[in-house]
Amino acid sequence: DAKTTQPPSMDCAEGRAANLPCNHSTISGNEYVYWYRQIHSQGPQYIIHGLKNNETNEMASLIITEDRKSSTLILPHATLRDTAVYYCIVRVPLTGTASKLTFGTGTRLQVTL
Amino acid sequence: GAGVSQTPSNKVTEKGKYVELRCDPISGHTALYWYRQSLGQGPEFLIYFQGTGAADDSGLPNDRFFAVRPEGSVSTLKIQRTERGDSAVYLCASSFGGASTEAFFGQGTRLTVV
Repeated sequence: DAKTTQPPSMDCAEGRAANLPCNHSTISGNEYVYWYRQIHSQGPQYIIHGLKNNETNEMASLIITEDRKSSTLILPHATLRDTAVYYCIVRVPLTGTASKLTFGTGTRLQVTL
Repeated sequence: GAGVSQTPSNKVTEKGKYVELRCDPISGHTALYWYRQSLGQGPEFLIYFQGTGAADDSGLPNDRFFAVRPEGSVSTLKIQRTERGDSAVYLCASSFGGASTEAFFGQGTRLTVV
């Protein structure tokens, strides 16, 4: 399984951009990079995913390096409600067409006033 | 319902007892996953269903754990002879399947074995 490496914690001031890095140097060509977050006592919430190209949605942007060995999740204007544990995941193929998510320990993002 | 529903939200049981945890996936989702999350850790994969069949159960820790999905919708995770080490939050997720589709998680069942 491709492993991911994330810093254990980060701080960000409210209103500023939060840039969360992730290393996945052993990623395979057909594996996607997913980001989830988990707010205390809730189930993980999908944020964004990508394969090769940069992606943007209403929640965040995902920047994947050309060699695909690392990526950065960007929350453009962090708010207090973005305080959560953020997981960078390489999606490992399972049998057939489905695949499982292998979570690490994530980055605990603390957004402060 | 609009999301993945898990019941009960909390379960306290005595060591050695049998427990069942239920998951109602999002309607139309063919893939269903069970995860377990211990305090301070990320979710750990247990088992995955595609339709009615368990396509991958490699994450089940031992034969005390078993899961079913008889009609391809609702799933039940069953734990026999519970141990204190089984205490954790058990999460269920569902998706349309495929490597590029997102999985939606429920709020989890907090199991405490005393």
